[in-house]
Amino acid sequence: DQQVKQNSPSLSVQEGRISILNCDYTNSMFDYFLWYKKYPAEGPTFLISISSIKDKNEDGRFTVFLNKSAKHLSLHIVPSQPGDSAVYFCAASDNYGQNFVFGPGTRLSVLP
Amino acid sequence: ETGVTQSPTHLIKTRGQQVTLRCSSQSGHNTVSWYQQALGQGPQFIFQYYREEENGRGNFPPRFSGLQFPNYSSELNVNALELDDSALYLCASSSQGAFRYGYTFGSGTRLTVV
Repeated sequence: DQQVKQNSPSLSVQEGRISILNCDYTNSMFDYFLWYKKYPAEGPTFLISISSIKDKNEDGRFTVFLNKSAKHLSLHIVPSQPGDSAVYFCAASDNYGQNFVFGPGTRLSVLP
Repeated sequence: ETGVTQSPTHLIKTRGQQVTLRCSSQSGHNTVSWYQQALGQGPQFIFQYYREEENGRGNFPPRFSGLQFPNYSSELNVNALELDDSALYLCASSSQGAFRYGYTFGSGTRLTVV
């Protein structure tokens, strides 16, 4: 039973446009969420996080939105750049970071 | 400041054998977590070590075991290897407040069991 779902295995976006990556979760005890980016042959790299007491967190081109009632979060990248092409993982925790439950990832391709 | 380093990068083992994977945590980090990433899936939590003791475990059998050393480096041991153990094994280190800043992951060890 997947507690964190990323229903789009892949996404293609034109350079300069907005990329929106979605994530749904089922466990209402999750109270902290992170997004990671992974390039081939590298480990995941932390991008941005959000606590359940917020509905939005912004860091440069990256914004994460959280809708607790819908158990849904999204990552917006504006503007998208070719270097953003990677696999993006959504992760959630209910235990102050002791462990995270990861989604299966979405492969983003930003086309020049 | 060095990041997380894992060794070896690739490994091929035969079913039934035992394997040890190694991880050096990032300087200043005292917590190490291990994750298994099967092909096409997200990383799955195996266990975490803090101050040389296991501090949480995911849904993995006892043949997956670990150690953390006084310098905070860590080992993951897998006994009686099965074909399904073929995966990328990721080590991640953190300090207090990991939930805020995320883990620092290594590049992983690709284990193939034949």
